[in-house]
Amino acid sequence: QKEVEQDPGPLSVPEGAIVSLNCTYSNSAFQYFMWYRQYSRKGPELLMYTYSSGNKEDGRFTAQVDKSSKYISLFIRDSQPSDSATYLCATLPSQGAQKLVFGQGTRLTINP
Amino acid sequence: EPEVTQTPSHQVTQMGQEVILRCVPISNHLYFYWYRQILGQKVEFLVSFYNNEISEKSEIFDDQFSVERPDGSNFTLKIRSTKLEDSAMYFCASTLEGGFAFFGQGTRLTVV
Repeated sequence: QKEVEQDPGPLSVPEGAIVSLNCTYSNSAFQYFMWYRQYSRKGPELLMYTYSSGNKEDGRFTAQVDKSSKYISLFIRDSQPSDSATYLCATLPSQGAQKLVFGQGTRLTINP
Repeated sequence: EPEVTQTPSHQVTQMGQEVILRCVPISNHLYFYWYRQILGQKVEFLVSFYNNEISEKSEIFDDQFSVERPDGSNFTLKIRSTKLEDSAMYFCASTLEGGFAFFGQGTRLTVV
């Protein structure tokens, strides 16, 4: 079983739509959950991170973790063409852990 | 804003040759990493480096790979004898406390 699974898409939505991106993970030891954004041929850029279960909001972005179902979500409100990128979820068993475990990434296109 | 910088952005090398990929992590960070991403695949952890030694490495990081922090600012990844399957984007990352890594823009390595 893969440690972190993410639908690779592609996902295409009109500008202004609410976008929902999701991952599942298998290891209940994971405590920290991150979302990275990656533009084509660029490095991953840390968007948000959350600890354990709950929601975290930052502007148009909301990260949500449900540890009971091992489900991670990222919501983008009022999506913009500049949000078009690949979104990667990643996990850590603890803050001091060394190895990020990434999902496959979901390629998102926001159409003007 | 401080950032991780990597050079070169693109390196083409012949199979069997040695390559060195270079990185300048964020200046006050203490943990350093190399990840790689084969085209269309997940970002994969290679190695972490802390306090001048390897703290964790993946099964990918075999004897052909080595890392070094030759001075107070640079962090390098050496591949001793490149293979075709080493062709990938290589990302350097750093963090102050471990875990939430900040990535560079990557070096695209093409082995021919």
